[in-house]
Amino acid sequence: DGGITQSPKYLFRKEGQNVTLSCEQNLNHDAMYWYRQDPGQGLRLIYYSQIVNDFQKGDIAEGYSVSREKKESFPLTVTSAQKNPTAFYLCASSIVWGFGNTIYFGEGSWLTVV
Amino acid sequence: AQKVTQAQTEISVVEKEDVTLDCVYETRDTTYYLFWYKQPPSGELVFLIRRNSFDEQNEISGRYSWNFQKSTSSFNFTITASQVVDSAVYFCALSGDNYGGATNKLIFGTGTLLAVQP
Repeated sequence: DGGITQSPKYLFRKEGQNVTLSCEQNLNHDAMYWYRQDPGQGLRLIYYSQIVNDFQKGDIAEGYSVSREKKESFPLTVTSAQKNPTAFYLCASSIVWGFGNTIYFGEGSWLTVV
Repeated sequence: AQKVTQAQTEISVVEKEDVTLDCVYETRDTTYYLFWYKQPPSGELVFLIRRNSFDEQNEISGRYSWNFQKSTSSFNFTITASQVVDSAVYFCALSGDNYGGATNKLIFGTGTLLAVQP
């Protein structure tokens, strides 16, 4: 089945550690995104990538890093510089970059800092 | 600035009732798209519908219907004969052309939690 796969589903991190969330899509989509969701809030854009080997900061990029070395993969690293990393993280993709294109989401990853 | 408001934080209905989820948006773009997504307890956001600003026709898909009114900047979502499986958080979102700029940024509302009781 085509879709977006995120792993792990649940992740616990000690303060001061970096963690990487995996995102893989087999939809052959050019554009990929990372969103953060906090309880009772909407989604906020962390990073996006219009095409392989390209990525841009979203609204809340501080403390995060990404790479886009392959079309199907867009991993997100939550660094120790992120002050409040406990949240639900959603990876997404769209067939191409450009406003109005439907964005499809993965199942998300829960990150908890302990 | 672009903004999406979902004033209903939580709604509780009994199965088979009809329910309407409200969405009000703000944008100065003349061209924009509106979306609805469903987030069940599993967490994945499921795409439901996309509507562009030039198409004000209402849409019906099974038990789901959407009412888009530019005059009131609203894009409301109605579920007819609700079922327990409809229980989820529903998000309305807006994507504007940013005055012709290249962007595919979605502005989300804060969501409405719908609980359908058996």
